[in-house]
Amino acid sequence: AQTVTQSQPEMSVQEAETVTLSCTYDTSESNYYLFWYKQPPSRQMILVIRQEAYKQQNATENRFSVNFQKAAKSFSLKISDSQLGDTAMYFCAFMSTFFGNEKLTFGTGTRLTIIP
Amino acid sequence: DTAVSQTPKYLVTQMGNDKSIKCEQNLGHDTMYWYKQDSKKFLKIMFSYNNKELIINETVPNRFSPKSPDKAHLNLHINSLELGDSAVYFCASSHMDETQYFGPGTRLLVL
Repeated sequence: AQTVTQSQPEMSVQEAETVTLSCTYDTSESNYYLFWYKQPPSRQMILVIRQEAYKQQNATENRFSVNFQKAAKSFSLKISDSQLGDTAMYFCAFMSTFFGNEKLTFGTGTRLTIIP
Repeated sequence: DTAVSQTPKYLVTQMGNDKSIKCEQNLGHDTMYWYKQDSKKFLKIMFSYNNKELIINETVPNRFSPKSPDKAHLNLHINSLELGDSAVYFCASSHMDETQYFGPGTRLLVL
């Protein structure tokens, strides 16, 4: 079974600074997907970024980028030029590519606060 | 234009009652899911359906029964509600193993 670990329960950073959220996972599969989801106080689950394990290139979406280290099973999220709207819970998630097992396995989340 | 919608958004009920949560997606996806988020914010899969067929059934009490009348709908019926069922329930949908898109969640409070 896959596991996802987020070792930082809470983080805070000044507005406009850069912050990195950590995530490690454990799997015996060679192909899979990794995600970062954001959950603001509105409780909506919002996709931030997605990474396919077979792609060596790190995914980027505007101010959000990942550092994907497949051998180390590490998948960190970097938020550049942080904004007040980035305040939220951030969840790292793993998904298998095997049919019948395409469920998201989530980490415990990191509560990120952006300080004005 | 809502992609994944859930009703109701809030549900307050007494122990022992039976309740249902409905989910609809207009994205044309073939797979739908139910996740439970507990009071510590931990999210866990409950069920998934692909083309109306049950694919994933995690270790969920059989008081929980999902039903998928068609590809666009996945409902969750809960019998004999217990205090421990209080949580936020999220519906999600995807096309095969693509990205899952979530509904707004239903906050269930059992008194």
